[in-house]
Formats: sequence, structure tokens, C-alpha cells
Amino acid sequence: SQQGEEDPQALSIQEGENATMNCSYKTSINNLQWYRQNSGRGLVHLILIRSNEREKHSGRLRVTLDTSKKSSSLLITASRAADTASYFCATDKASNAGNMLTFGGGTRLMVKP
Amino acid sequence: SQTIHQWPATLVQPVGSPLSLECTVEGTSNPNLYWYRQAAGRGLQLLFYSVGIGQISSEVPQNLSASRPQDRQFILSSKKLLLSDSGFYLCAWTSGWNEQFFGPGTRLTVL
Repeated sequence: SQQGEEDPQALSIQEGENATMNCSYKTSINNLQWYRQNSGRGLVHLILIRSNEREKHSGRLRVTLDTSKKSSSLLITASRAADTASYFCATDKASNAGNMLTFGGGTRLMVKP
Repeated sequence: SQTIHQWPATLVQPVGSPLSLECTVEGTSNPNLYWYRQAAGRGLQLLFYSVGIGQISSEVPQNLSASRPQDRQFILSSKKLLLSDSGFYLCAWTSGWNEQFFGPGTRLTVL
């Protein structure tokens, strides 16, 4: 079953605007990760936030985590046309076998120049 | 540095034909390896994972199987493809409880 669910499913903004994507999950996690996927390509890891962290920054990316609400958000500031891609959240599944990730359905972001 | 390879990049196969997709990782040892499938416009579904040579775990029942004959080689197979096996197949690795690194993917079309 889906662990992470992104919202919205699709987002269209103008270059320079901020883009906010949300992710909700159902069970306890060790960490939550955000990935980016350009069309027809593999996923690229963006940022990892651990369950004991509330906010994390990386360049123009800001991720928040609210474990009480089981939700996370990804904010991309001052968006560029090159940010056009699908963005996925992924939660780990605590297992002795290593960190299996459960991915949401993704948010398709389009940044218009 | 670490690199992950997948081939072929695209594949068109008839229903009932066999399948073999290969994934290899360079620059690391004893990685955890994963096979995912992604339907068009959807998220990733974990198919198989492996924590070592010969150790395969399946997440969902299906028409596919996986094998890990060497430490850095992960193979996805099928004896007889179904139409529903079409999709984008992604291999990934991780060294532990951190981010996963993905290969470029194989787009499989079953006709």
C-alpha cells in the first residue's frame, strides 16, 4: 500500500515563484526522503530528513517534517524552468534487511519560463 | 566514485517471451540492491531487494524473479512476459540507512 502520498499531483508555476509540495504518510518512520525525476530518467536524491529533525535546507530546497501530523513539505524557492520534473517523497520501512523505501505517487511540477 | 548501470535502455518484447534485465554497480561493495517498477505517471513499486549474494526478497507476487549471482550484479527475469509487465524498471543501491542511488532505467514494452 502507498505509504507516502504527494499533494498536489500536478503543479504549474511561473519562473521565479516558489513551489510547495506536500507528502503525507501513515506509519512511523526513521527518515523521509525527497527525490526528483526528469522525464524518462532515474530518480535523483535531493534531501533526507530524519524523524528527529523538523527542518532541513539544501540550496533552494527547504524540507519540513511534522511527525505528529505524519506529513512533510518540500519548498523550492525562486523556481527555474530547469526545476520542471516529478518530485517524490519516500519513507523508509524499518527492516533488518536495510532501508526499503516506499514512494508516493509524485508531484509533477512544471515551471514556465 | 560509485556508478550504477542498467541495460538495455529500452526493450520491446512480445507477450510470452523471456526477459532479462541487468544492473551492475561499481565503486562499492556489499550494497543493498533494489528493483522497482514504475507505471506511466505513477510512483515506484518495490519488486525485489537483496542484501547479499543469493539473497532475494520479493515484495509483491508477480510474473518476475530476481537473482544476484555476484556482489554487484542484480538481474530481473521472467520466463514468459505478460502485457501487464510493461513499465519503467529501475535498479537502485544503497550502502545502508541512507539515500538510494538509481540507475537510468529500462523502458519495457510488451506487445
